[in-house]
Amino acid sequence: AQSVTQLDSQVPVFEEAPVELRCNYSSSVSVYLFWYVQYPNQGLQLLLKYLSGSTLVKSINGFEAEFNKSQTSFHLRKPSVHISDTAEYFCAVSELSANDYKLSFGAGTTVTVRA
Amino acid sequence: EPEVTQTPSHQVTQMGQEVILRCVPISNHLYFYWYRQILGQKVEFLVSFYNNEISEKSEIFDDQFSVERPDGSNFTLKIRSTKLEDSAMYFCASRGGSTEAFFGQGTRLTVV
Repeated sequence: AQSVTQLDSQVPVFEEAPVELRCNYSSSVSVYLFWYVQYPNQGLQLLLKYLSGSTLVKSINGFEAEFNKSQTSFHLRKPSVHISDTAEYFCAVSELSANDYKLSFGAGTTVTVRA
Repeated sequence: EPEVTQTPSHQVTQMGQEVILRCVPISNHLYFYWYRQILGQKVEFLVSFYNNEISEKSEIFDDQFSVERPDGSNFTLKIRSTKLEDSAMYFCASRGGSTEAFFGQGTRLTVV
């Protein structure tokens, strides 16, 4: 079975500052990796995903995450945050061998961006 | 843009009562899921559903829980006799042929 650890439960950050959200996973098999974002009073939205290929994946709104197999990590970064990035961020994994691609989530990191 | 819709957004029910949470997945999707998030805890997988049957369920999904796709568009989660510990945000998700699951906005269930 897989598990996901998000090391930071709360990350306050000033506008235009960089942010990094840490995610580590454990699994006995190969996995797909995801970051989901939940804005206030909304559902979970996929931010980006790693399936295969280049270990650095990017979203359309400036986030990027790098898959590091040796460290079993998939940290999320953004070089300059906006107020609108205030949200809860969830790291999730799905086993390649599972037909239904069920997700195992981390506990979430709340990012609060201040002016 | 197609989306997963869940109703109601918030439901309050008395302990021991049956509750049905409703979801309308994206129309051409084939895989359906329920997850829940107890306040302050992780989002947890409950059940996956494909081809009109459960494909996998977690330990949480005991005999008090059931799922159904009654009419080809709705996907429901029923809790037969609610307990206080069932209070949580319940998320429905659906997936087509890709690996991406699309989530609804959630139903907040409060058992009193």
